[in-house]
Amino acid sequence: DAKTTQPNSMESNEEEPVHLPCNHSTISGTDYIHWYRQLPSQGPEYVIHGLTSNVNNRMASLAIAEDRKSSTLILHRATLRDAAVYYCILRGDAGNMLTFGGGTRLMVKP
Amino acid sequence: DTGVSQDPRHKITKRGQNVTFRCDPISEHNRLYWYRQTLGQGPEFLTYFQNEAQLEKSRLLSDRFSAERPKGSFSTLEIQRTEQGDSAMYLCASSLRELGGYTFGSGTRLTVV
Repeated sequence: DAKTTQPNSMESNEEEPVHLPCNHSTISGTDYIHWYRQLPSQGPEYVIHGLTSNVNNRMASLAIAEDRKSSTLILHRATLRDAAVYYCILRGDAGNMLTFGGGTRLMVKP
Repeated sequence: DTGVSQDPRHKITKRGQNVTFRCDPISEHNRLYWYRQTLGQGPEFLTYFQNEAQLEKSRLLSDRFSAERPKGSFSTLEIQRTEQGDSAMYLCASSLRELGGYTFGSGTRLTVV
């Protein structure tokens, strides 16, 4: 799987939007962009995924750059419960498993 | 609760002992994965089953580790002759489709003393 680069940590204020960036300059045409998050003492949780178009669901939005070399996970109003490690993962049709990097630790201040 | 269940949640064992963990995936999911996670790191892939067949194993899975999924439902991960370096969170996940989202369990935290 192609590599992703994320900042180690970010801070946000409660009830403000959060934009979590991910760079994936070596993405291939068939790689999907997946986001998972891991709350303290829990297993990772699926958040969202996309291929080319921006995607929205009840948890978040995913904005994908036109050249697909970067993407941004958007939490529209951060809550304290959103404090977690967020992983950006590329997943193509060649592999069955998710390959996790270090992720971004999001801290939410009240 | 129809999520992925892992048992036990915590295990403390003495170095050299054998341990076994169990994972019960979501019932209709035919794919099951084991991961290991150490403090401050992302989860690392260990092995993958499709139904009862073990299709892929990581180089991290030394010969002291063995995983089974005998009837294509629950799975067990056994570690023989545990070492302190085996101390980690062991996570199980399941999925339905080849590129479908994973549902993870809460993990088994192993401490080897």
